[in-house]
Amino acid sequence: AQTVTQSQPEMSVQEAETVTLSCTYDTSESDYYLFWYKQPPSRQMILVIRQEAYKQQNATENRFSVNFQKAAKSFSLKISDSQLGDAAMYFCAYNPAGTASKLTFGTGTRLQVTL
Amino acid sequence: GAVVSQHPSRVICKSGTSVKIECRSLDFQATTMFWYRQFPKQSLMLMATSNEGSKATYEQGVEKDKFLINHASLTLSTLTVTSAHPEDSSFYICSARGGVRSPLHFGNGTRLTVT
Repeated sequence: AQTVTQSQPEMSVQEAETVTLSCTYDTSESDYYLFWYKQPPSRQMILVIRQEAYKQQNATENRFSVNFQKAAKSFSLKISDSQLGDAAMYFCAYNPAGTASKLTFGTGTRLQVTL
Repeated sequence: GAVVSQHPSRVICKSGTSVKIECRSLDFQATTMFWYRQFPKQSLMLMATSNEGSKATYEQGVEKDKFLINHASLTLSTLTVTSAHPEDSSFYICSARGGVRSPLHFGNGTRLTVT
């Protein structure tokens, strides 16, 4: 069974600084997708960034980037120039290719952004 | 962009009654929708995969007679919590996507409180 592990229950970062959230996963599949979702207090799940396992290049979306290490099964999220609006729960998620978006989520990391 | 609407956002019901939660894809057709459950300060747990025109596929440990899922059209899936008990109190979230390569969109969730 696939598992997703987020070892940091809480993280804190100062506004304008950079923070990295960790995620590791376990799978025997070779083709899959990885995601980072943000869940603010409104509870809405917002897709932050997505990585396809067959792509070696790390995905980036503006201030958000990932460090995808396929051999190590690691998928960390880096948030640059942190903003107050980045404060939220962040979930790492895994989806084997061809399983119609059947996501497995990690336990989440609560990110605090301080002034 | 694509939007998934979930209704109601909050519901309080008495123990023993049934509650229906609707999940609609507003501007795309979704042959597959997913129902998740989220306990406070925990991650999202997949309950079942809702397939248009056929029976839902439930995850291990989820009672299919307790959580009835109906996916009668390409834009609507419903989750009915039957004979609700206080332990069913939770946050329920649906998700859907328009195609194999399309991103997954989440509804805003439903907070169910059973008294």
